[in-house]
Amino acid sequence: GAVVSQHPSWVICKSGTSVKIECRSLDFQATTMFWYRQFPKQSLMLMATSNEGSKATYEQGVEKDKFLINHASLTLSTLTVTSAHPEDSSFYICSASPDPLSSYEQYFGPGTRLTVT
Amino acid sequence: GESVGLHLPTLSVQEGDNSIINCAYSNSASDYFIWYKQESGKGPQFIIDIRSNMDKRQGQRVTVLLNKTVKHLSLQIAATQPGDSAVYFCAENGDYKLSFGAGTTVTVRA
Repeated sequence: GAVVSQHPSWVICKSGTSVKIECRSLDFQATTMFWYRQFPKQSLMLMATSNEGSKATYEQGVEKDKFLINHASLTLSTLTVTSAHPEDSSFYICSASPDPLSSYEQYFGPGTRLTVT
Repeated sequence: GESVGLHLPTLSVQEGDNSIINCAYSNSASDYFIWYKQESGKGPQFIIDIRSNMDKRQGQRVTVLLNKTVKHLSLQIAATQPGDSAVYFCAENGDYKLSFGAGTTVTVRA
């Protein structure tokens, strides 16, 4: 149980275009989902926390107009990278928590590799 | 904000030996700590966790030790196997979010 999927697993896009990444909890309802970004040989950095039906909470330094997060259902959150640039190339990882307002129990997805050319 | 850090970026260990991975954290208010394993190109995989009211917890081949006095966390892997080669992250839970350390790359020598 507690499986989280991401789609796509990798994507290549041209500079200036937008890319949408999906995060799904397959066998549980996730009130809270988290989005992380990981650059090569670096740690995971939290970008934002999203709760179903409400606006996401972004970490300091993360542009909310560039990284659009939608958590429209209890099993799906999406991250849209708008007007992508090469510096947005990274590994994007989501996690989902079945416990409302809790970050204790997080199940991680397999990640999405984004390359912007 | 405060963050978790790791002492060593790399660790090379002989197959069959025990591994010890260390982590220092800075947020004294954190009440929950987790160790994750991440293989190349994959998401983090939960290994073991410990709450702040404990100082030791054991799992299958793994033990986590917590020293709140010096804000130090360690992961011990017994009889390290080639499949243990990966990057290991400690994470602390505080302010309703996880903060990850820098990671230690473990390489197992045959």
